[in-house]
Amino acid sequence: DQQVKQNSPSLSVQEGRISILNCDYTNSMFDYFLWYKKYPAEGPTFLISISSIKDKNEDGRFTVFLNKSAKHLSLHIVPSQPGDSAVYFCAASDNYGQNFVFGPGTRLSVLP
Amino acid sequence: DADVTQTPRNRITKTGKRIMLECSQTKGHDRMYWYRQDPGLGLRLIYYSFDVKDINKGEISDGYSVSRQAQAKFSLSLESAIPNQTALYFCATSVGIGANVLTFGAGSRLTVL
Repeated sequence: DQQVKQNSPSLSVQEGRISILNCDYTNSMFDYFLWYKKYPAEGPTFLISISSIKDKNEDGRFTVFLNKSAKHLSLHIVPSQPGDSAVYFCAASDNYGQNFVFGPGTRLSVLP
Repeated sequence: DADVTQTPRNRITKTGKRIMLECSQTKGHDRMYWYRQDPGLGLRLIYYSFDVKDINKGEISDGYSVSRQAQAKFSLSLESAIPNQTALYFCATSVGIGANVLTFGAGSRLTVL
């Protein structure tokens, strides 16, 4: 059973609008969460992280929200740009990054 | 040059052949990892190493072996490749101190016929 789930395989958004990517986890021991972005023919690149002591972390156009009681996190991209079109992976870890469990990914398409 | 370099980038082989995927890094990180990506399954951990003398199995280690030749080098071997090992393989590194972030290589696409 997957410990990290991304239930939307794909998402399409108009340029300039908000993109919201969701991630759910089952292991209550997870205390550190990351989002990675992956373009075709490249490795995943780190985007933003959040630890369990916070419920929000912002970095420019990217904000991650964590709801520990619901075991849910989301990535908001505002405004969305065509260059944001990629596959986004959610990852979770216990003990602040000893080992990571990845979700299956969501393919985001930002339409001009 | 890339911080994490994987070779080969693409490889086609036949069932039963021995294959080695190599990874080298210039980040000076102690920790190195091998992941496998399959459609709909995300990235799954095969093996990881926290230093040169440390090797650990991940979620899907069966059919694979690894060697940590130096701090900067971590290779993945398939002793006898089978078609369901067709996948995209990623090497990653991390510093191992504090809140960790993985740095990935560009990937090695392996096709087993």
